[in-house]
Amino acid sequence: SAVISQKPSRDICQRGTSLTIQCQVDSQVTMMFWYRQQPGQSLTLIATANQGSEATYESGFVIDKFPISRPNLTFSTLTVSNMSPEDSSIYLCSVEDIRQFEAFFGQGTRLTVV
Amino acid sequence: KQEVTQIPAALSVPEGENLVLNCSFTDSAIYNLQWFRQDPGKGLTSLLLIQSSQREQTSGRLNASLDKSSGRSTLYIAASQPGDSATYLCAVLGGGADGLTFGKGTHLIIQP
Repeated sequence: SAVISQKPSRDICQRGTSLTIQCQVDSQVTMMFWYRQQPGQSLTLIATANQGSEATYESGFVIDKFPISRPNLTFSTLTVSNMSPEDSSIYLCSVEDIRQFEAFFGQGTRLTVV
Repeated sequence: KQEVTQIPAALSVPEGENLVLNCSFTDSAIYNLQWFRQDPGKGLTSLLLIQSSQREQTSGRLNASLDKSSGRSTLYIAASQPGDSATYLCAVLGGGADGLTFGKGTHLIIQP
């Protein structure tokens, strides 16, 4: 299994500002995934991040709002830009085991926008 | 587009009972199905992974089954304990292996 560390674990931000969330994995992985979990809802995939290429975004998510970096095989960042209260959610980083495609998750970043 | 449904949305039972959580999905072209546990305000813990070619997986008191052709999975919890209280999420990985589709979860409370 993979061990995933996310920072920060939580934050309270002012509307109009941006927050960058970091995801560190203890092993090299090809694909990293970012999910959003809005209050009382399940997880929704934001984008898939491959090293050396631009992230692939799901319908309803755009790069200007959620820019993603993937500088190497163990690290990725997600930025939530120009935040509004509607961005208040838990953001989770995930990787998949290359053999069985079993997914592992970080502990998440709880974001509150005021 | 894949859709995943979990029933019931919430469940409260006394300690010691055996229980079944249900998950259904609309597109049977999946790579695998995974059950997770989420504690309040926390990330996800993987419980069981079932590949599309498998029928069931077991881990301790947990048993998950998969009927791919009918688009159904069940998670069976034996001899429930208060520590089992959490939200249980079912997720499927499509054939493209490009991210999971989640159900909304079953919020489980085990009464001492």
